[in-house]
Amino acid sequence: DAGVIQSPRHEVTEMGQEVTLRCKPISGHNSLFWYRQTMMRGLELLIYFNNNVPIDDSGMPEDRFSAKMPNASFSTLKIQPSEPRDSAVYFCASRNPGQGGSPLHFGNGTRLTVT
Amino acid sequence: AQSVTQLDSQVPVFEEAPVELRCNYSSSVSVYLFWYVQYPNQGLQLLLKYLSGSTLVESINGFEAEFNKSQTSFHLRKPSVHISDTAEYFCAVSFTGGYQKVTFGTGTKLQVIP
Repeated sequence: DAGVIQSPRHEVTEMGQEVTLRCKPISGHNSLFWYRQTMMRGLELLIYFNNNVPIDDSGMPEDRFSAKMPNASFSTLKIQPSEPRDSAVYFCASRNPGQGGSPLHFGNGTRLTVT
Repeated sequence: AQSVTQLDSQVPVFEEAPVELRCNYSSSVSVYLFWYVQYPNQGLQLLLKYLSGSTLVESINGFEAEFNKSQTSFHLRKPSVHISDTAEYFCAVSFTGGYQKVTFGTGTKLQVIP
């Protein structure tokens, strides 16, 4: 089991550029979550997918953020255009909700810096 | 709605001393409770969880937590900490139904002093 895989590990971009973060969940996990972590706001849930369908996107900050899950093994989080306040560590996590109380499995995150 | 409170943002403790990291939650329905640990430059990892049954749960590395329903608490304890325990610890709660939304606390940074 390779765990949840995120890429890139680090991303530095200029304000106004498009940023795409990628995630490969654990095989067999049909729930996927995107979180953002900052010193000021802690860990924030951005969006949640179940069986590739977005279930709760109430945490997505604004229209500049979008997320897709075209199949069970891949998801993207896109920011267009990016702004300095988007600088944060973005985590992807997956889970098998068929098991009651199943924990989240996190990737190592993408550290985004927008200058 | 559910919420999690971790009152201590940082806890310094000397090596081999005991430690307690506090967690209180609020929810009007049954919940599952979790502790996650985050080492530098890594994602969160599950440390232990309470689903049902015995109110005392243990991890493989000596941590334990006790579910106290009357006090709505799930404090994390270790009788003797090691340098390698230096990390940030997050308490989390999820509903037992629906899509089991997970809510995290703001985290407690444990600094073990040699």
